[in-house]
Amino acid sequence: DTEVTQTPKHLVMGMTNKKSLKCEQHMGHRAMYWYKQKAKKPPELMFVYSYEKLSINESVPSRFSPECPNSSLLNLHLHALQPEDSALYLCASSHGQVDTEAFFGQGTRLTVV
Amino acid sequence: AQTVTQSQPEMSVQEAETVTLSCTYDTSESDYYLFWYKQPPSRQMILVIRQEAYKQQNATENRFSVNFQKAAKSFSLKISDSQLGDAAMYFCAYSAVLKRDDKIIFGKGTRLHILP
Repeated sequence: DTEVTQTPKHLVMGMTNKKSLKCEQHMGHRAMYWYKQKAKKPPELMFVYSYEKLSINESVPSRFSPECPNSSLLNLHLHALQPEDSALYLCASSHGQVDTEAFFGQGTRLTVV
Repeated sequence: AQTVTQSQPEMSVQEAETVTLSCTYDTSESDYYLFWYKQPPSRQMILVIRQEAYKQQNATENRFSVNFQKAAKSFSLKISDSQLGDAAMYFCAYSAVLKRDDKIIFGKGTRLHILP
């Protein structure tokens, strides 16, 4: 199984809503990532969980909060988002140390209204 | 800080022809990985090819090959016998080795159009 699975594929939410994006991998990878990608732009790293340690891109606002329940799951909790947060959110995983090739999920297309 | 530069925002190539996408990078590390990722309209980022910096031999995957020039910090992707399914955004990417908070740094991408 070389898949990274993201749910949902599409999400529309209001600015007062609370929602979560989910990401799962069963490759035994010890690093998982959240990226944000705007149209026609490269992915921008938001968070890294590597060996149970969280690294944060300090430009990411606090209305985004990651959660790593176990080494196979990575959630992204969303609260009080703004319309400019509308984007494709990509999850990825990698071994985290020796082999840094990242496997990506298909992404969640988020629209904030 | 490491940077990745793709100077060609868009390129077009005739089907069955060969095209080369350019990428340069900057790093002070001696060991690292370089990647080319493809992102078709389906949105999923797919790894096309990867190169370990300590290997002098250029990586090859079927119709895809790279020209890795470590001293010049250049990492171009050659696509031979272009097919319609190759149409996508291509991202060059860099990753350090053996760092627990390693992250992949992407270039801005090159959109490749295949002309039938």
